[in-house]
Amino acid sequence: QSALTQPASVSGSPGQSITISCTGSSSDIGGYNYVSWYQQHPGEAPKLLISHVSHRPSGVSNRFSGSKSGNTASLTISGLQAEDEADYYCRSYTPTATQVFGGGTKLTVL
Amino acid sequence: QEQLVQSGAEVKKSGSSVKVSCKKSGDIFSTYPISWVRQAPGQGLEWMGGIIPMYGTLNYAQKFQGRVTITADESTLTVYMDLRGLTSDDTAVYYCAKSGSYRDGFDVWGQGTTVTVSP
Repeated sequence: QSALTQPASVSGSPGQSITISCTGSSSDIGGYNYVSWYQQHPGEAPKLLISHVSHRPSGVSNRFSGSKSGNTASLTISGLQAEDEADYYCRSYTPTATQVFGGGTKLTVL
Repeated sequence: QEQLVQSGAEVKKSGSSVKVSCKKSGDIFSTYPISWVRQAPGQGLEWMGGIIPMYGTLNYAQKFQGRVTITADESTLTVYMDLRGLTSDDTAVYYCAKSGSYRDGFDVWGQGTTVTVSP
């Protein structure tokens, strides 16, 4: 199972919105609504932001939202804040009940 | 409170094996899968495999088939990941993570265990 494709980096200014894409195939993202997104600050464990494409767990800011179209999932962060600067990873379920992650996207808040 | 607590850092020789443990808090049901995810220095996340402790049901990433063994000891609420034939490419932080099912996101993570493989 190949890793999902994410842009290596994105950037935005405080208050702006950014979107991170995650492209897979009909065997993973396109085949299931089981995409999740994670935020990871340096030296820390990842944190779940979004599950099931667009569900936000309790405690996660509503500035984070997820969507999917075909084989591509997206994470949108609105009202960018300095604390949002981190690495972001997407993950999808696959037909063999395994998991595949994206390569990660480094978000820089200018 | 749901919590996963992992064993400490390891330094291993190339060719040897490492066994990392992950102790669940009592709030994490045995029917929830516990997965292992690793992250090499400066690299992304990589799912290695998982186990549903109550049933012993295993699922491994193809890349690690034959080299990794995941086990669970429900009497001690501990999940183990045993990786054999270590090379420098296995130098990474290893995380255990819990999900509601294999379809769900990983909502609880261990603190990570650094494994360093020396020549």
